[in-house]
Parts: sequence; structure tokens; C-alpha cells
Amino acid sequence: KAGVTQTPRYLIKTRGQQVTLSCSPISGHRSVSWYQQTPGQGLQFLFEYFSETQRNKGNFPGRFSGRQFSNSRSEMNVSTLELGDSALYLCASIGTEMNTEAFFGQGTRLTVV
Amino acid sequence: AQSVAQPEDQVNVAEGNPLTVKCTYSVSGNPYLFWYVQYPNRGLQFLLKYITGDNLVKGSYGFEAEFNKSQTSFHLKKPSALVSDSALYFCAANPYNTDKLIFGTGTRLQVFP
Repeated sequence: KAGVTQTPRYLIKTRGQQVTLSCSPISGHRSVSWYQQTPGQGLQFLFEYFSETQRNKGNFPGRFSGRQFSNSRSEMNVSTLELGDSALYLCASIGTEMNTEAFFGQGTRLTVV
Repeated sequence: AQSVAQPEDQVNVAEGNPLTVKCTYSVSGNPYLFWYVQYPNRGLQFLLKYITGDNLVKGSYGFEAEFNKSQTSFHLKKPSALVSDSALYFCAANPYNTDKLIFGTGTRLQVFP
């Protein structure tokens, strides 16, 4: 079956702009989570969605937001971009079985200039 | 605060030798534990997980991990390293009743021919 698909793979934006990233989870998976990966901070949890509801949120400013649609696809939005938002943004999906692992997409590399 | 620690930024090992990548966790309850591997410009690939039961778990590509509850550790091991194992390895903990993952800072494994 198809894996987790993230689009776009690469983005270059200017400070102050906003950006929307998309994630399509594996078909039938219930949960989508987002992570930010930077060399300095490592992998940081952003938020988790289950059945269109945000279940958990990490310690990020309100400029970072997300949503999940009825088909489980998820988007995250970052408004008023800052240079420090440059990172690899990873999406993960988790299936309905108990004790299952998260499957990650290849990520979206965001560069803010 | 809950956390996962990977004390070594880099581990160097000669091909054919055994390798160990260390991980300790400070997460309440009985978290699920995972190892993921990341190759350059790629997402995370699942290697193995500990849910319950036998303290030695086997995973993909000949990797295994040893869970030690008293030491709250989950070290990754492989009996004989390959050059192709060179990558960035992440340990992660999944607290009970959430799909959120808490990641360690990552350990770069370098296997020399």
C-alpha cells in the first residue's frame, strides 16, 4: 500500500509569509502527527490529530496550526514565517491496530529567507 | 518533563564489529519504545519496538534492542555492522494513551570499512 505522502518536498519562503504543508496518511490510518526537525532542537512534536480533532499539541507558538479533514488528510500552516522556522517538517500516521508504530513521510524541507 | 536521552552524538565502529547505540528514557508509566533510522534527506524508517514481554526485541536489517526497566534503557544493538548501516538513529518513547512520540536527540552511526 502507498506510504505517507507529504507535499511539497521543498519550499522556499520569505520572512513574514505564510505556508501550508500537506500530508496524506496511509489509507485507513486514524492518527496524523506533525514534527519539526532542526539541527539544533532535534525532533519536536507539533500536534496530533485523530478523527479531525486535535488531541495533543506541542510547545509551539500560535503561528503554528493544523487541521485534519474527514478523509484523514492533514495540513499544517505556519503564519508570519521567521528564519527559525526553517526545518524539515515530518508527518506521521498511525493505524488502527493496537501497539502499532508510526509511519513517516519523507518530509517537507522549508527554507525561510 | 518527560524525555529521552541518547548520550552519544556519534558512534564509530568498524565493519564486522558489533555496535551499540544507547538510549535511556524518563517517561511515566510503561511507555512504548521505538528505534527509527534516518538516511540523508529522508523521513524516518521504523526499525523495531518494545511494547511488552521479552526484553530482547528483534527488528529490521539484523538490528535488535535490549529493554531494561530498572535502568530505563533501550539500547540498540547489532552483532555485525555494515557500512550501509551508517545513518542517523533515533530512539523514541510513546507515553501511554497518546500517539505522540518523544524523541532523543539522535546518534550518528558511522561504520568504517
